[in-house]
Amino acid sequence: QSALTQPPSASGSPGQSVTISCTGTSSDIGAYNSVSWYQKHPGRAPKLMIYEVTKRPSGVPDRFSGSRSGSTASLTVSGLQAEDEADYFCSSYVPGSSSPYVFGTGTRVTV
Amino acid sequence: EMQLEESGGGQVKPGGSLRLSCVVSGFTFSDYTMTWVRQVPGKGLEWVSSISSNSNYIDYADSVKGRFAISRDNTKKSLYLHMSNVSAEDTAVYFCARVRGIPQSWFDPWGQGTLVTVSS
Repeated sequence: QSALTQPPSASGSPGQSVTISCTGTSSDIGAYNSVSWYQKHPGRAPKLMIYEVTKRPSGVPDRFSGSRSGSTASLTVSGLQAEDEADYFCSSYVPGSSSPYVFGTGTRVTV
Repeated sequence: EMQLEESGGGQVKPGGSLRLSCVVSGFTFSDYTMTWVRQVPGKGLEWVSSISSNSNYIDYADSVKGRFAISRDNTKKSLYLHMSNVSAEDTAVYFCARVRGIPQSWFDPWGQGTLVTVSS
């Protein structure tokens, strides 16, 4: 299972929006409602931001939203804040695969 | 508050062995599948291994199969990863995480990680 493709970087000014894409195939992102997104600050634990494509865990601001079109998932961060500056990784669960969890290449968001 | 704390990382020579531990608090450890994920410094995340709540189901990434062994002790609320015959490609920060969902498709929460450096 190959890594999902994300742009290396994205940026926006405070208050603006940024959208990160995560491109897979019809065998992973396009096949299952099992896309999740994680935020990673240097030296800190990864944090779940979105699960099952669009669902937001309690405690995650509603500025974060997820979507999918075909084999591409997206994470949108609206109303950018300084603390949103981090690395973001997508992930897809692929049951029956030799590697059931595949991650994206990661996107550094700069505010 | 849910917490996961990894330990056991450090420097190990190529071909050597190391055991990582992850101690959990704040949730019923024995109810959940657990997983190890690693990140090469400056690179992406890679799933390493998962173990079901009762240890009946275990899975490994092809890159570690036959060299790494995952285990757990529900009485100690602890998850382990025994790494053997390591190589430079195993140098990474290793995170433990709880697996959630039906199907079990996302990880939450995660620990802060422990760094493993394979070097002679």
